Amino acid sequence: AQRVTQPEKLLSVFKGAPVELKCNYSYSGSPELFWYVQYSRQRLQLLLRHISRESIKGFTADLNKGETSFHLKKPFAQEEDSAMYYCAWAPSGSARQLTFGSGTQLTVLP
Amino acid sequence: NAGVMQNPRHLVRRRGQEARLRCSPMKGHSHVYWYRQLPEEGLKFMVYLQKENIIDESGMPKERFSAEFPKEGPSILRIQQVVRGDSAAYFCASSPRNEQFFGPGTRLTVL
Repeated sequence: AQRVTQPEKLLSVFKGAPVELKCNYSYSGSPELFWYVQYSRQRLQLLLRHISRESIKGFTADLNKGETSFHLKKPFAQEEDSAMYYCAWAPSGSARQLTFGSGTQLTVLP
Repeated sequence: NAGVMQNPRHLVRRRGQEARLRCSPMKGHSHVYWYRQLPEEGLKFMVYLQKENIIDESGMPKERFSAEFPKEGPSILRIQQVVRGDSAAYFCASSPRNEQFFGPGTRLTVL
């Protein structure tokens, strides 16, 4: 079965420190990968998708097919980045049936 | 555009009762998706619908669960004869084509 694994349930970093949220997937084809974020008391929202190759709020994520990873990175974390982050996967060519990881709760300490 | 609306936000049912969860997609969106999130887990896909059609229900339990998206009105996720294991957060998302926009979820508690 296709899976998305986020090995860290909780991650704490200090403000200004680099942050990396890990995501690994298992799929034999070419998937579409996404990062979703849920801030406190807000709804789940798309942060970025790998095909866009863009940086949102200072976050980037690179698809590494060799390591089957799609880690989310930011060089200097801010307190407002504290949130729940979900990595998600969909079959190539559509974003129909998303498969989510179990999420990583990021806390950025002052 | 108010975004995807779900109601109720919280629903309490006793074992054996029926639960009806509603989802109103964003204006202009014709695709609706339902996901379930059990405690400590990620969202799990349940069903994908377009107006009056079920496109993919591969994530739906075979019994007691059904979904519809009528020509008029919201999409409905219906759970008959609820059991404690149905307690979860149920999220709806809508999309015009690809990107999915999520609602705030309905938290179902089965006593």
